[in-house]
Amino acid sequence: AQRVTQPEKLLSVFKGAPVELKCNYSYSGSPELFWYVQYSRQRLQLLLRHISRESIKGFTADLNKGETSFHLKKPFAQEEDSAMYYCAPILTGGGNKLTFGTGTQLKVEL
Amino acid sequence: DGGITQSPKYLFRKEGQNVTLSCEQNLNHDAMYWYRQDPGQGLRLIYYSQIVNDFQKGDIAEGYSVSREKKESFPLTVTSAQKNPTAFYLCASSLDYGYTFGSGTRLTVV
Repeated sequence: AQRVTQPEKLLSVFKGAPVELKCNYSYSGSPELFWYVQYSRQRLQLLLRHISRESIKGFTADLNKGETSFHLKKPFAQEEDSAMYYCAPILTGGGNKLTFGTGTQLKVEL
Repeated sequence: DGGITQSPKYLFRKEGQNVTLSCEQNLNHDAMYWYRQDPGQGLRLIYYSQIVNDFQKGDIAEGYSVSREKKESFPLTVTSAQKNPTAFYLCASSLDYGYTFGSGTRLTVV
């Protein structure tokens, strides 16, 4: 069955510390993977897409097909990074439906 | 300016009543989606539509209905058959893989 797992509901780090938000997926095909973010009182928005290999707001995510993971990383957390983060795969050829993980709430403390 | 609009922001419904949530977009996106967001469960797909006059059930379609008579509009009806309708509902549209989300409607059954 197609599934995406974000094992941490809440991740709390200090400002300046490295951040890693975990995402594992189990898909039989070749998914395209995304990270979406929801800041407090704002709309859910796209953070980054694996195929673009961009770094957005200092975040990067590498697709590891062997481990079926797409962890989101940032070397130095900032207070404004506090938000809810969702990992979301789309199975290519599957109608472009995003399947969301349960999300990880990142809290960056001073 | 272009975007996706959901209304109302807050909605209260008595048990046994049907209620319709509005979603309108002026982005000229072909595909539209309805998600339900519950604490600890992430976003779950209710219905989606890839083209006018066509829509498909998502993972949790029971107790919901939709229509797609116009490209711009994808209303969601929460029927009395939905056992636990109190939730936050998000509408999205997409062109290719990039999703744009609305600001959501919070439905409370009283």
